[in-house]
Amino acid sequence: GQQLNQSPQSMFIQEGEDVSMNCTSSSIFNTWLWYKQDPGEGPVLLIALYKAGELTSNGRLTAQFGITRKDSFLNISASIPSDVGIYFCAGRQTGANNLFFGTGTRLTVIP
Amino acid sequence: DADVTQTPRNRITKTGKRIMLECSQTKGHDRMYWYRQDPGLGLRLIYYSFDVKDINKGEISDGYSVSRQAQAKFSLSLESAIPNQTALYFCATSDPGTSRTGELFFGEGSRLTVL
Repeated sequence: GQQLNQSPQSMFIQEGEDVSMNCTSSSIFNTWLWYKQDPGEGPVLLIALYKAGELTSNGRLTAQFGITRKDSFLNISASIPSDVGIYFCAGRQTGANNLFFGTGTRLTVIP
Repeated sequence: DADVTQTPRNRITKTGKRIMLECSQTKGHDRMYWYRQDPGLGLRLIYYSFDVKDINKGEISDGYSVSRQAQAKFSLSLESAIPNQTALYFCATSDPGTSRTGELFFGEGSRLTVL
């Protein structure tokens, strides 16, 4: 299967700080998605990206579709305690039925 | 009530036992999926089904089987559980006809421990 590597694997930050994480692949994807998993819950979609170079925001979250189509980035501004969780990138290739998920970034926000 | 419901939420079993994880959904979606989550490995697809008569293997189907009993029900079986099948299992649904993203809607997960 496709390997999507996320970094960092985990982060500990102070409340109010900005967060950056990324997702890279050896293959090209035509759709990138970012999901968040709250503790004890299933992942929930945050942002979807459809073309290279696209920059999309959802509140304090901003995600970018890398111009090579092999990577994507997620930024969270002014973090708050409820940002705690695991963030997953996911990619879909042209004509493919399925999403491939990244390895996840675990975020801890210290009040 | 959750739109995608998984049972059981937690299960501890012994090596060699047969285990079934069940998933039911009220979203009316045709597509259903089973994923496995392991620390550091993310979510990996086990099996997926696009309608009642359609079953497809995912990345890691060995040691698993599935049954799509109805549009709303998709169960995952471990015929003879082994310790490295200890993981968090997620069921998900999607409806590409109504979603440009092909967004997956996940259940709350079933944590399985095989001793």
